[in-house]
Amino acid sequence: GAVVSQHPSRVICKSGTSVKIECRSLDFQATTMFWYRQFPKQSLMLMATSNEGSKATYEQGVEKDKFLINHASLTLSTLTVTSAHPEDSSFYICSASRTGVYGYTFGSGTRLTVV
Amino acid sequence: EDKVVQSPLSLVVHEGDTVTLNCSYEVTNFRSLLWYKQEKKAPTFLFMLTSSGIEKKSGRLSSILDKKELSSILNITATQTGDSAIYLCAVLEYNFNKFYFGSGTKLNVKP
Repeated sequence: GAVVSQHPSRVICKSGTSVKIECRSLDFQATTMFWYRQFPKQSLMLMATSNEGSKATYEQGVEKDKFLINHASLTLSTLTVTSAHPEDSSFYICSASRTGVYGYTFGSGTRLTVV
Repeated sequence: EDKVVQSPLSLVVHEGDTVTLNCSYEVTNFRSLLWYKQEKKAPTFLFMLTSSGIEKKSGRLSSILDKKELSSILNITATQTGDSAIYLCAVLEYNFNKFYFGSGTKLNVKP
């Protein structure tokens, strides 16, 4: 079955630094990848949608310059949290979809803690 | 290998029917199980279950966790066309390091 690998699973960084999170589709080509934030007991909040080879589409209220998304290949999308602050601490989860195929495959999430 | 399996993969019912969606898991450091409904952009949180045998209800939806059987069910009674969606089950690992998502059940409720 389709597998999406997300790395790292947990990261602690200092305020002001940048963190890169990778989302890889291991056995399929992901034409579209989605990045979410998950707060406790809340719905996943869609941050952006990225299509391979083009600029990501950000949801309203999400800072493009702070959350840099790159989808350079059909199997890899990255989310870089720049100049991280403690309020950026959260779970970040990616998912991927394939053209013509039902459903989404989710990564296992990255727990970011900014100290 | 930790994993979450949902069944059925898809389901077609008529309005008024009752449906039961299944989620089974094999996760070493189980913390809690979450149910989501995904219609469009992002999954909407439904329930979080941590303790076995305690039913959680919200309107026509209810869910219960069975830690002995390593499973959970999501019931929807008197289904409506608005219930049509993909229902996702996810298990949160104890150390809050990982989510394990199932592949989802696609529910189609016909008028």
